[in-house]
Formats: sequence, C-alpha cells, structure tokens
Amino acid sequence: QVQLVESGGGVVQPGRSLRLSCAASGFTFSNYAMHWVRQAPGKGLEWVAVISYDANTKNYMDSVKGRFTISRDNSKNTLYLQMKSLTREDTAVYYCANWNDVGAFDIWGQGTMLTVSS
Amino acid sequence: QSALTQPASVSGSPGQSITISCTVTSSDVGTYNLVSWYQQHPGKAPTLIIYQGGERPSGVSNRFSGSRSGNTASLTISGLQAEDEAVYHCCSFGGSETYGMWVFGGGTKLTVL
Repeated sequence: QVQLVESGGGVVQPGRSLRLSCAASGFTFSNYAMHWVRQAPGKGLEWVAVISYDANTKNYMDSVKGRFTISRDNSKNTLYLQMKSLTREDTAVYYCANWNDVGAFDIWGQGTMLTVSS
Repeated sequence: QSALTQPASVSGSPGQSITISCTVTSSDVGTYNLVSWYQQHPGKAPTLIIYQGGERPSGVSNRFSGSRSGNTASLTISGLQAEDEAVYHCCSFGGSETYGMWVFGGGTKLTVL
C-alpha cells in the first residue's frame, strides 16, 4: 500500500523549534523528490520546501528560508522538516508529498497539525 | 499574494458542468505546462485529479478535464455530482532551476446545489 504518514506536530510556543517526520512505504522513496506543503486553517495550500531524490538539492519558500531545513534518510524511507524560530504564521497542517515522473504531487500524507501559540 | 489566481467559489446543480479558472499573475511561473489540479474534501488531504494541464491519473473520472488557453488553465467538471463538492486547487512550477519553487492557487470552493 502506497502511503505517506506524517508525525511530530503539536502545540509549541513562538520562537521554539520542532521537527516533523514523514514515513514512506509502498513505493521506492529514494527515486523521488519530496516536498512539504502546508495549509493554514481555512486557507489554501502553500508550498514550503523541496528536496531532491538524493538530498543534494533543496529549496524553500521565502518566508521559511533560514528557519526551516528539509532533509531525508533514504535508508529509513523518511522525510524530515526541522523548524526553528516558529511564529504564529507557521500554524498549519503540514503535508508531505512526492513529486512524480509526470510533474505532479500524486501521493500525499494525511497531514500533521502544527499550532504555534503561547 | 498567490501567483495563480482562482475564483473563491463556484456552484452548479447536479448534472450541470462547471469550469474553474487558474490564471497566472506572475512572470515567475515559468514552466506553466506543469499545471496540476487537486481535489480536497473537508478534513482530508488533497488528491491529484489532473496533471500536465489535461491528463487524468488512472482511477479519476473522465468527468474531470483540464485545458489551457494563454495564461489561464481551466478545470471542467461535467455531470456534477454531490460528491464533487470540495475545494479545488491548481498548482504550477515556477522559477528557472530544476528545483525552483512551486505555487498553488488560493483554492476554489465548489458547491453542488
């Protein structure tokens, strides 16, 4: 069964750090670029970060550059998002998704909720 | 402000057809051929329904179709059904590098009357 399962969300205070994880199964994880996409409550989807299949290339949306770090462990079929200096604007459901061979996000996790609040 | 503009909402009656537009408003959205569309039901993750502007993944109903004219991509749903009520998001790749950046439209809420 092809799936992505996120974990690590929760409630954190502004300025703190948190790491999200995304466990992949049912497909060859190491063949695909992987992304994090977030969705603030009541809002649309927002692309956050991408990492190439071999972890050699990464890119981020402007508002998280320098604060978020995307990484992966292909031996564990797991994607990560290390987040620091969190602000209330980072409150969202965070999804991991793969970028497939035809240029689309075709596998999505169920999402993990991050709430940044004092 | 999103570089892809979608209407906030559309509505239609069962059996009718509706079209949702997705207009590029930024010159940063370079490889506009990689437009994809996603359906999202409340409390659920998005699912892919159209890729490369007009292709359907296996298992997606042929009532969903995509097209493009100039800087506007469109999603058409024919023969509306109650289960089509959802939010629809368009997405495109932007930037000149292989790993540039991706942008989503603001999402369109479809109401089946």
